[in-house]
Amino acid sequence: DAGITQSPRHKVTETGTPVTLRCHQTENHRYMYWYRQDPGHGLRLIHYSYGVKDTDKGEVSDGYSVSRSKTEDFLLTLESATSSQTSVYFCAISEPDPGYTFGSGTRLTVV
Amino acid sequence: GENVEQHPSTLSVQEGDSAVIKCTYSDSASNYFPWYKQELGKRPQLIIDIRSNVGEKKDQRIAVTLNKTAKHFSLHITETQPEDSAVYFCAAYSGGGADGLTFGKGTHLIIQP
Repeated sequence: DAGITQSPRHKVTETGTPVTLRCHQTENHRYMYWYRQDPGHGLRLIHYSYGVKDTDKGEVSDGYSVSRSKTEDFLLTLESATSSQTSVYFCAISEPDPGYTFGSGTRLTVV
Repeated sequence: GENVEQHPSTLSVQEGDSAVIKCTYSDSASNYFPWYKQELGKRPQLIIDIRSNVGEKKDQRIAVTLNKTAKHFSLHITETQPEDSAVYFCAAYSGGGADGLTFGKGTHLIIQP
C-alpha cells in the first residue's frame, strides 16, 4: 500500500465529545499534515509537523490540536467536537521533495 | 502566503474530447506544481507534476504547462475517457516553510458518454 494509514475510517460522535484521529506512516518521512475536505473549499490545512514534537498551525486550526511523539504517528484531536467539524479528514506525508502521499481519509460526523 | 485559484469548478466534456483546467498562483517563489486526481470516496493521488525549470511535461494523455511570467499552469487531458471523471486539484509549493502545498479548490470533471 501507500505506507500511510488513517484510523478510524468512519466515526460518528456527539457534540461536545473529544475525538482523536490517527495517522500512521511506515515511510519515515519527516513532514506530516492534516487537512479537512469540504465541498466548495477543497483541501484546507489544519496542522502540520516537521519533526517529532515539532508542529505548527495551518489556516483552519481553531478547535483542533495535534501531537507527534514518534516519527510514524501524527494525532489530530478535536477537544470538544462541534457540528462544523463534520468533514472528511486527510493525512498526508512528504519529504523535502514536496510531493504528497495521502492517507485514505476519515469521515467524521458530529451529531 | 501562497494563494492558488483554480478554474473552472465544474467541467463537462464529451468522451473523446480534450479537457483543460487552469490554475494561477500568487507567490513568484513557488517552484513545484503538482496535480492530484480524486475519485469519488478515494484519496487524492498525484497524476503529474512540474517544476519551475520546465515549461511543459507530458505523460501519455495528460500534460501540464507552466507559464512562470504569468504565474499560471494548466492541466490538459486529451482523448478523455469515462475513467477520467473525478475531481482534480492543482497545488503550488513555494519552499519557504514546512507548511507544504497550497491547493486550489478543485475541478469536478464530468465525461459525458
